[in-house]
Amino acid sequence: KAGVTQTPRYLIKTRGQQVTLSCSPISGHRSVSWYQQTPGQGLQFLFEYFSETQRNKGNFPGRFSGRQFSNSRSEMNVSTLELGDSALYLCASSFKGAGEQYFGPGTRLTVT
Amino acid sequence: DAKTTQPTSMDCAEGRAANLPCNHSTISGNEYVYWYRQIHSQGPQYIIHGLKNNETNEMASLIITEDRKSSTLILPHATLRDTAVYYCIVRLNSGGSNYKLTFGKGTLLTVNP
Repeated sequence: KAGVTQTPRYLIKTRGQQVTLSCSPISGHRSVSWYQQTPGQGLQFLFEYFSETQRNKGNFPGRFSGRQFSNSRSEMNVSTLELGDSALYLCASSFKGAGEQYFGPGTRLTVT
Repeated sequence: DAKTTQPTSMDCAEGRAANLPCNHSTISGNEYVYWYRQIHSQGPQYIIHGLKNNETNEMASLIITEDRKSSTLILPHATLRDTAVYYCIVRLNSGGSNYKLTFGKGTLLTVNP
C-alpha cells in the first residue's frame, strides 16, 4: 500500500506571497491532519479534516487554511507569508482520525 | 490530552536494548499511550500504542505500569537506524474532538556503534 505523499517536497517563497501544499493520504484513509514543525516550537497541530469537513483546528492565525476533497486528498494554504512561516509542513492520514496516524515526508517551506 | 514527561536525551549501545521512559501521571482511564519516532528531517513514524496491557509488535514493546502513570518503550536490539527523537503521547482513541496528536519535545535516542 502506498504511503502518504506530499507535494512539493521543497518550496521557496517570498514574504507576502501565498502557497498551497498538497497531501494524498493512504488509500482508504478518510482523515487528514496537518502539522507545522519548527526548531523553536516543535511539532504543532494545524487542523484535521474528515470527509471534507474540518473537525479540529489548532491555534494558528486565519492565514492558515485547508480543505479536503471527496477523494480524501487535502490541501493547505498559507496566505501573506511571513518569515516565521518557514517550517516543515507535515501531513498525516488515518482511517477515521482516532488510532495511529501515518505521516508523509513533509514539505520544507522557506520564506525569504 | 494528559501531559507527558520524557528525558531530553539518552544513549544506547548498538545491539543492546533501549529503554525509553515516559511519565504521564495525569492520564485518565480512557486515554491511550502512543509512541512515535522521528528520524532527522523525516515525518514521524508510528511505533506502538496501548491502554493498560503490555503490547509488542515487530518494532518494539510497550510496558505500562499497573497504575498507568508511566510507561517504557523497549527497542530490544537497537541499531544505528534507531537513532531518532522518540515521542510519547497520551490521547483518547475515539470520540470527542481529539483528532490530533500533541507532541512534546521527546527523547533524542542516540545509538552508538
